[in-house]
Amino acid sequence: DTEVTQTPKHLVMGMTNKKSLKCEQHMGHRAMYWYKQKAKKPPELMFVYSYEKLSINESVPSRFSPECPNSSLLNLHLHALQPEDSALYLCASSQEWGEQFFGPGTRLTVL
Amino acid sequence: SQQGEEDPQALSIQEGENATMNCSYKTSINNLQWYRQNSGRGLVHLILIRSNEREKHSGRLRVTLDTSKKSSSLLITASRAADTASYFCATDAVTRDKIIFGKGTRLHILP
Repeated sequence: DTEVTQTPKHLVMGMTNKKSLKCEQHMGHRAMYWYKQKAKKPPELMFVYSYEKLSINESVPSRFSPECPNSSLLNLHLHALQPEDSALYLCASSQEWGEQFFGPGTRLTVL
Repeated sequence: SQQGEEDPQALSIQEGENATMNCSYKTSINNLQWYRQNSGRGLVHLILIRSNEREKHSGRLRVTLDTSKKSSSLLITASRAADTASYFCATDAVTRDKIIFGKGTRLHILP
Protein backbone atom coordinates (compact mmCIF):
# COMPACT_ATOMS: atom_id res chain seq x y z
CA ASP A 1 0.00 0.00 0.00
CA THR A 2 1.72 3.18 -1.21
CA GLU A 3 -1.09 5.59 -0.51
CA VAL A 4 -1.71 8.32 1.99
CA THR A 5 -5.43 8.63 2.64
CA GLN A 6 -7.25 11.61 4.07
CA THR A 7 -10.79 11.98 5.33
CA PRO A 8 -13.05 13.74 4.82
CA LYS A 9 -12.51 15.03 1.28
CA HIS A 10 -14.62 18.10 1.97
CA LEU A 11 -15.60 19.74 5.25
CA VAL A 12 -17.79 22.75 5.93
CA MET A 13 -17.85 24.00 9.49
CA GLY A 14 -18.97 26.99 11.49
CA MET A 15 -16.66 29.07 13.62
CA THR A 16 -17.96 27.46 16.80
CA ASN A 17 -17.68 23.86 15.62
CA LYS A 18 -15.12 21.25 16.59
CA LYS A 19 -14.04 18.89 13.85
CA SER A 20 -11.11 16.63 13.03
CA LEU A 21 -9.18 15.80 9.89
CA LYS A 22 -7.70 12.34 9.60
CA CYS A 23 -4.70 11.00 7.71
CA GLU A 24 -3.46 7.43 7.40
CA GLN A 25 -0.45 5.75 5.81
CA HIS A 26 0.62 2.12 5.85
CA MET A 27 4.05 2.47 4.30
CA GLY A 28 5.85 2.35 7.64
CA HIS A 29 7.06 5.91 7.23
CA ARG A 30 8.60 7.50 10.31
CA ALA A 31 7.52 11.09 9.62
CA MET A 32 4.11 12.63 8.97
CA TYR A 33 3.25 16.19 8.05
CA TRP A 34 0.36 18.63 7.90
CA TYR A 35 0.37 21.39 5.30
CA LYS A 36 -2.06 24.20 4.58
CA GLN A 37 -2.51 25.39 1.01
CA LYS A 38 -4.45 28.42 -0.16
CA ALA A 39 -5.56 28.77 -3.78
CA LYS A 40 -2.71 29.39 -6.23
CA LYS A 41 -0.15 29.29 -3.41
CA PRO A 42 2.40 26.68 -2.44
CA PRO A 43 1.80 24.34 0.51
CA GLU A 44 2.86 25.79 3.85
CA LEU A 45 4.15 23.47 6.53
CA MET A 46 2.18 23.38 9.76
CA PHE A 47 3.40 20.40 11.80
CA VAL A 48 5.85 17.52 11.56
CA TYR A 49 5.74 14.32 13.59
CA SER A 50 8.80 12.10 13.66
CA TYR A 51 8.49 8.67 15.30
CA GLU A 52 5.11 9.76 16.70
CA LYS A 53 6.56 12.81 18.45
CA LEU A 54 5.90 16.40 17.43
CA SER A 55 9.17 17.67 16.04
CA ILE A 56 8.15 20.86 14.23
CA ASN A 57 5.36 23.34 14.94
CA GLU A 58 5.53 26.26 12.56
CA SER A 59 3.96 28.69 15.07
CA VAL A 60 0.49 27.48 14.17
CA PRO A 61 -2.41 29.02 16.14
CA SER A 62 -3.68 26.83 18.99
CA ARG A 63 -7.07 26.45 17.28
CA PHE A 64 -5.24 23.78 15.26
CA SER A 65 -4.23 20.82 17.42
CA PRO A 66 -2.32 17.90 15.92
CA GLU A 67 -2.32 14.37 17.29
CA CYS A 68 -0.43 11.25 16.30
CA PRO A 69 -2.13 8.25 17.97
CA ASN A 70 0.23 5.76 16.34
CA SER A 71 2.78 5.51 13.59
CA SER A 72 0.12 5.16 10.87
CA LEU A 73 -2.35 7.83 11.91
CA LEU A 74 -2.27 11.60 12.08
CA ASN A 75 -5.14 13.80 13.15
CA LEU A 76 -5.69 17.53 13.04
CA HIS A 77 -8.26 18.77 15.52
CA LEU A 78 -9.99 22.01 14.62
CA HIS A 79 -11.74 24.35 17.04
CA ALA A 80 -13.00 27.91 16.78
CA LEU A 81 -11.60 28.40 13.29
CA GLN A 82 -11.82 31.62 11.33
CA PRO A 83 -13.01 32.05 7.73
CA GLU A 84 -9.42 32.74 6.69
CA ASP A 85 -8.55 29.19 7.75
CA SER A 86 -10.49 27.93 4.73
CA ALA A 87 -7.97 26.07 2.59
CA LEU A 88 -6.82 22.70 1.30
CA TYR A 89 -5.19 20.73 4.12
CA LEU A 90 -2.65 18.22 2.95
CA CYS A 91 -1.12 15.35 4.84
CA ALA A 92 2.17 13.76 3.81
CA SER A 93 4.54 11.08 5.01
CA SER A 94 8.14 10.19 4.42
CA GLN A 95 10.71 7.66 5.50
CA GLU A 96 13.93 9.40 4.69
CA TRP A 97 14.75 13.04 4.30
CA GLY A 98 13.53 13.90 0.87
CA GLU A 99 10.58 12.46 -0.99
CA GLN A 100 7.26 13.05 0.67
CA PHE A 101 4.10 11.16 -0.23
CA PHE A 102 1.00 13.34 -0.18
CA GLY A 103 -2.62 12.51 0.39
CA PRO A 104 -5.38 14.04 -1.77
CA GLY A 105 -6.20 16.66 0.81
CA THR A 106 -9.26 17.89 2.70
CA ARG A 107 -10.97 20.97 1.30
CA LEU A 108 -12.04 22.95 4.38
CA THR A 109 -14.55 25.79 4.31
CA VAL A 110 -15.16 27.81 7.47
CA LEU A 111 -18.37 29.81 7.50
CA SER B 1 9.36 31.77 4.56
CA GLN B 2 9.93 30.78 0.96
CA GLN B 3 13.15 29.37 -0.30
CA GLY B 4 12.47 28.67 -3.95
CA GLU B 5 11.14 30.93 -6.65
CA GLU B 6 9.95 29.40 -9.88
CA ASP B 7 9.69 31.13 -13.20
CA PRO B 8 7.71 31.55 -15.21
CA GLN B 9 4.65 31.76 -12.96
CA ALA B 10 2.52 30.47 -15.83
CA LEU B 11 3.36 28.76 -19.10
CA SER B 12 1.17 27.72 -22.01
CA ILE B 13 2.59 25.57 -24.80
CA GLN B 14 1.32 23.37 -27.59
CA GLU B 15 1.09 19.65 -27.07
CA GLY B 16 4.27 17.99 -28.22
CA GLU B 17 6.50 20.95 -27.39
CA ASN B 18 9.01 20.97 -24.56
CA ALA B 19 8.34 22.87 -21.32
CA THR B 20 11.07 24.36 -19.19
CA MET B 21 10.59 25.70 -15.68
CA ASN B 22 13.24 27.28 -13.50
CA CYS B 23 13.71 27.45 -9.76
CA SER B 24 16.05 29.68 -7.81
CA TYR B 25 16.75 29.38 -4.11
CA LYS B 26 18.57 31.39 -1.50
CA THR B 27 20.54 29.20 0.89
CA SER B 28 22.65 26.07 0.55
CA ILE B 29 20.75 22.82 0.25
CA ASN B 30 21.19 19.08 0.64
CA ASN B 31 18.74 18.26 -2.12
CA LEU B 32 16.10 19.81 -4.36
CA GLN B 33 12.87 18.17 -5.39
CA TRP B 34 10.19 18.79 -7.98
CA TYR B 35 6.51 18.03 -7.37
CA ARG B 36 3.44 18.17 -9.60
CA GLN B 37 -0.04 19.12 -8.43
CA ASN B 38 -3.15 18.66 -10.49
CA SER B 39 -5.86 21.17 -9.71
CA GLY B 40 -7.00 20.97 -6.11
CA ARG B 41 -5.35 17.61 -5.47
CA GLY B 42 -2.37 16.28 -3.57
CA LEU B 43 1.19 16.70 -4.71
CA VAL B 44 3.05 13.99 -6.59
CA HIS B 45 6.80 13.66 -6.21
CA LEU B 46 8.58 13.77 -9.57
CA ILE B 47 12.30 13.76 -8.93
CA LEU B 48 14.93 14.50 -6.30
CA ILE B 49 18.40 15.77 -7.14
CA ARG B 50 21.14 15.91 -4.53
CA SER B 51 23.49 18.83 -4.12
CA ASN B 52 26.40 16.82 -5.53
CA GLU B 53 24.47 15.91 -8.71
CA ARG B 54 24.22 18.13 -11.76
CA GLU B 55 21.63 16.38 -13.88
CA LYS B 56 19.02 13.70 -13.46
CA HIS B 57 16.54 12.05 -15.80
CA SER B 58 13.26 10.26 -15.26
CA GLY B 59 11.26 9.33 -18.33
CA ARG B 60 10.39 12.59 -20.12
CA LEU B 61 11.73 14.66 -17.23
CA ARG B 62 15.18 16.17 -17.06
CA VAL B 63 16.32 18.14 -14.03
CA THR B 64 19.50 20.15 -13.73
CA LEU B 65 21.03 21.71 -10.66
CA ASP B 66 23.59 24.49 -10.53
CA THR B 67 24.58 25.02 -6.91
CA SER B 68 26.91 27.90 -7.79
CA LYS B 69 23.94 29.83 -9.19
CA LYS B 70 21.50 28.34 -6.67
CA SER B 71 19.17 27.35 -9.46
CA SER B 72 17.49 24.31 -10.96
CA SER B 73 15.48 23.65 -14.10
CA LEU B 74 12.83 21.09 -14.96
CA LEU B 75 12.43 20.13 -18.60
CA ILE B 76 9.41 18.14 -19.73
CA THR B 77 9.90 16.83 -23.25
CA ALA B 78 7.14 16.02 -25.75
CA SER B 79 4.44 17.51 -23.54
CA ARG B 80 1.02 15.90 -23.27
CA ALA B 81 -2.38 17.22 -22.16
CA ALA B 82 -1.98 15.23 -18.95
CA ASP B 83 1.06 17.34 -18.05
CA THR B 84 -1.24 20.30 -17.38
CA ALA B 85 -0.66 21.01 -13.69
CA SER B 86 1.23 23.20 -11.25
CA TYR B 87 4.87 22.35 -10.71
CA PHE B 88 6.71 23.19 -7.50
CA CYS B 89 10.34 23.00 -6.58
CA ALA B 90 11.10 22.25 -2.93
CA THR B 91 14.33 22.59 -1.01
CA ASP B 92 15.28 21.26 2.37
CA ALA B 93 15.86 23.74 5.15
CA VAL B 94 18.28 23.69 8.06
CA THR B 95 15.95 21.16 9.69
CA ARG B 96 16.03 18.28 7.23
CA ASP B 97 12.50 17.14 7.95
CA LYS B 98 11.28 20.44 6.60
CA ILE B 99 11.07 21.24 2.91
CA ILE B 100 10.07 24.63 1.62
CA PHE B 101 8.10 24.96 -1.59
CA GLY B 102 8.56 27.62 -4.20
CA LYS B 103 5.63 29.60 -5.57
CA GLY B 104 5.14 27.19 -8.46
CA THR B 105 4.69 27.31 -12.21
CA ARG B 106 1.24 26.70 -13.68
CA LEU B 107 1.70 24.75 -16.90
CA HIS B 108 -1.08 24.52 -19.45
CA ILE B 109 -0.73 22.23 -22.46
CA LEU B 110 -2.82 23.35 -25.41
CA PRO B 111 -4.32 20.68 -27.71
